[in-house]
Amino acid sequence: AQKVTQAQTEISVVEKEDVTLDCVYETRDTTYYLFWYKQPPSGELVFLIRRNSFDEQNEISGRYSWNFQKSTSSFNFTITASQVVDSAVYFCALSAALGGSEKLVFGKGMKLTVNP
Amino acid sequence: GAGVSQTPSNKVTEKGKYVELRCDPISGHTALYWYRQSLGQGPEFLIYFQGTGAADDSGLPNDRFFAVRPEGSVSTLKIQRTERGDSAVYLCASSLLWPNTEAFFGQGTRLTVV
Repeated sequence: AQKVTQAQTEISVVEKEDVTLDCVYETRDTTYYLFWYKQPPSGELVFLIRRNSFDEQNEISGRYSWNFQKSTSSFNFTITASQVVDSAVYFCALSAALGGSEKLVFGKGMKLTVNP
Repeated sequence: GAGVSQTPSNKVTEKGKYVELRCDPISGHTALYWYRQSLGQGPEFLIYFQGTGAADDSGLPNDRFFAVRPEGSVSTLKIQRTERGDSAVYLCASSLLWPNTEAFFGQGTRLTVV
């Protein structure tokens, strides 16, 4: 069975602080995909990143960076110099890459509040 | 618009009634997903369509839930004999060649069963 754990439920920071969102996953699949989604107050899930299990290179996109470590089954997300607009609920998710349904298994989410 | 459209945005119904929730995917997207999100939780998978057929309906909680996609585009999620526990936000997503591209989500339908 697949499982995604986001141990932090809520974090509050002051603007310009760096913040890291933790994600730990469980899967028996050797090939899988990991994702991060952002859910602002409007409710729509916004795709941030997809990572293949064979690609452990860290990725940076502007103020966002992701650290994928297969050895610890973690896929952590860091926001550098946070801004008020980063306030949202962030979800980590996992999907099997082969063998049928491409459904996403989500963590419970982490609510980030960035205060001015 | 160009995104995934879900109607209605809000639905209040009485316990025991039947409801239909509609999803208009992005044009040309062959894959369509329904998820349910309860308060304070992550979305939970319900059903996945590839074209007109349900490729995976393992997430449907019981036989009161049913979904169709007769022409491979618009999908309807149907809930019979609604219960208060069905109250949640129902999210629809569509994608091209999953998982080679991301799924785009609609804003959801908030269902409240009173």
